[in-house]
Amino acid sequence: SQTIHQWPATLVQPVGSPLSLECTVEGTSNPNLYWYRQAAGRGLQLLFYSVGIGQISSEVPQNLSASRPQDRQFILSSKKLLLSDSGFYLCAWDLGGPLGYTFGSGTRLTVV
Amino acid sequence: GENVEQHPSTLSVQEGDSAVIKCTYSDSASNYFPWYKQELGKRPQLIIDIRSNVGEKKDQRIAVTLNKTAKHFSLHITETQPEDSAVYFCAARSVTALIFGKGTTLSVSS
Repeated sequence: SQTIHQWPATLVQPVGSPLSLECTVEGTSNPNLYWYRQAAGRGLQLLFYSVGIGQISSEVPQNLSASRPQDRQFILSSKKLLLSDSGFYLCAWDLGGPLGYTFGSGTRLTVV
Repeated sequence: GENVEQHPSTLSVQEGDSAVIKCTYSDSASNYFPWYKQELGKRPQLIIDIRSNVGEKKDQRIAVTLNKTAKHFSLHITETQPEDSAVYFCAARSVTALIFGKGTTLSVSS
């Protein structure tokens, strides 16, 4: 069966520090991968999605970037965090078409 | 691109009452409409979905309706229970990714 792993679960980082969040999927091939951010009390904002290795689409211009170095690995990065980057980051996957996502367990990032 | 509006933002009901959450979407090409439930501090979980060739779908106490002409869809929860308390998100999908509404915080009091 398919599983999605996301880590770390919580992270406290100072302003200006770098960020790397990792997401991996097991049990499937060529998944679509997504990064969403959920600010406190807010909805789910699509940040990036990827339909294949090296293919990244950005939905919201900001100081974050994403990479997909392997088929089932999706990484969210930042060179310098801002206070406004705090939130709950969720990775998700699907196989495209009229299907729902499976979300990872999320990373709660607090920038101080 | 797609835009999804969700109402109400908060909803309080008594146990046993029904709850209705409504969403509208903008992209007529969207063909898939899931609903997710998110408990505090946890990941969203898919609870029901509907495709554009179907007008209504039920799963026990939960039902979803879709009006393609008006571009709106709704979640109906009957006989609400305290464990239904959570944040509910609607979403719509056209070509790329799911676009989510801003969520509805449902509180069921016993």
